[in-house]
Amino acid sequence: NAGVTQTPKFRVLKTGQSMTLLCAQDMNHEYMYWYRQDPGMGLRLIHYSVGEGTTAKGEVPDGYNVSRLKKQNFLLGLESAAPSQTSVYFCASRDHNEQYFGPGTRLTVT
Amino acid sequence: GQNIDQPTEMTATEGAIVQINCTYQTSGFNGLFWYQQHAGEAPTFLSYNVLDGLEEKGRFSSFLSRSKGYSYLLLKELQMKDSASYLCAVRATTDSWGKLQFGAGTQVVVTP
Repeated sequence: NAGVTQTPKFRVLKTGQSMTLLCAQDMNHEYMYWYRQDPGMGLRLIHYSVGEGTTAKGEVPDGYNVSRLKKQNFLLGLESAAPSQTSVYFCASRDHNEQYFGPGTRLTVT
Repeated sequence: GQNIDQPTEMTATEGAIVQINCTYQTSGFNGLFWYQQHAGEAPTFLSYNVLDGLEEKGRFSSFLSRSKGYSYLLLKELQMKDSASYLCAVRATTDSWGKLQFGAGTQVVVTP
């Protein structure tokens, strides 16, 4: 099992550009989450999904959109990137009481 | 809302014991979690407490007091590889989707 994978690992965007971060899990988990992690602020939930075809807003959803067309994939989109979205993005899936995290995507917006 | 506090950094010597405290204020409570995160890596699950008391798992133990809104993670027989950030997270009863609220993390530095 690969667990949770994320692509890309690194990306540099210019302000106003768009991109999609892909998260994939092969553990057949229903629940998936997107977080961002910034220095001194811990992990903050952006959006989450409780199953294929469902999405919901987390703590900091503004500027992001998500889709869960297939159970194993959870996509995070930035329509018009801003410097404030420079961060490390983690995807996670959940089984019972444990969340499994992907390796992260380091995004810089200039 | 939820407020989770933990110290920013702690330093300890190899072979020693370190206790990382976490206090929380939540509108409901349905579990407290500890995760370990090495620099540049993903967080990994360490422990889960939902009832009061101590849960022991090898060199790591986690304690919970719901009435005090308090937990600690105890790391015994410290090894250099234990140098990492330790994240405290709370799940609220009002939420049934497993969402977690994370503290900012405690950076543990283990010195020789």
